[in-house]
Amino acid sequence: GIQVEQSPPDLILQEGANSTLRCNFSDSVNNLQWFHQNPWGQLINLFYIPSGTKQNGRLSATTVATERYSLLYISSSQTTDSGVYFCAVPNAGGTSYGKLTFGQGTILTVHP
Amino acid sequence: GAVVSQHPSRVICKSGTSVKIECRSLDFQATTMFWYRQFPKQSLMLMATSNEGSKATYEQGVEKDKFLINHASLTLSTLTVTSAHPEDSSFYICSARDPRGRGFEKLFFGSGTQLSVL
Repeated sequence: GIQVEQSPPDLILQEGANSTLRCNFSDSVNNLQWFHQNPWGQLINLFYIPSGTKQNGRLSATTVATERYSLLYISSSQTTDSGVYFCAVPNAGGTSYGKLTFGQGTILTVHP
Repeated sequence: GAVVSQHPSRVICKSGTSVKIECRSLDFQATTMFWYRQFPKQSLMLMATSNEGSKATYEQGVEKDKFLINHASLTLSTLTVTSAHPEDSSFYICSARDPRGRGFEKLFFGSGTQLSVL
């Protein structure tokens, strides 16, 4: 099946710092999503970004599908940004819109 | 906006008992829902696809008799962990796609259920 690798596995920041999270995937995909899992376990869909660049406030994401990677940028980080960031792609051969393969995640801790 | 509700959020049970977890789509109908499992500090692993009105399809390695899935209506899927044992302790998350969305855009996740089996 498709492999999804995220880096770094852990990231510690001071409030106000910027960061870049990376997601590499092993095969061509027609979809990629970034999620934030808060400390209570809730997954929030940040971006649906099969290609190109999108921005939402302090967050932006870029996917270069031809090179099989995606980047998530967090600017001016806040303590509420803490949690785990996952990227996910459709399962190989999947036709159902919901069967995802997740990366291992980046654990982000933002200190005040 | 669309919301997926999952209950209970936390359950503690004795070994050998069965536990039922509910996943509801609150303002859309979902013919398909998905169940994931997440071990501490690990990623989410797809367990099964719940299909309204038909049998669930399970991922390789997932025991069908251990994890019973019922999707009796267009807004409700249930996961029953039968004869639970300590190794079944985990965080279980459901998801559902709002069919009014395009592709993967409107895929929503429940808030998860932390199962602890003593």
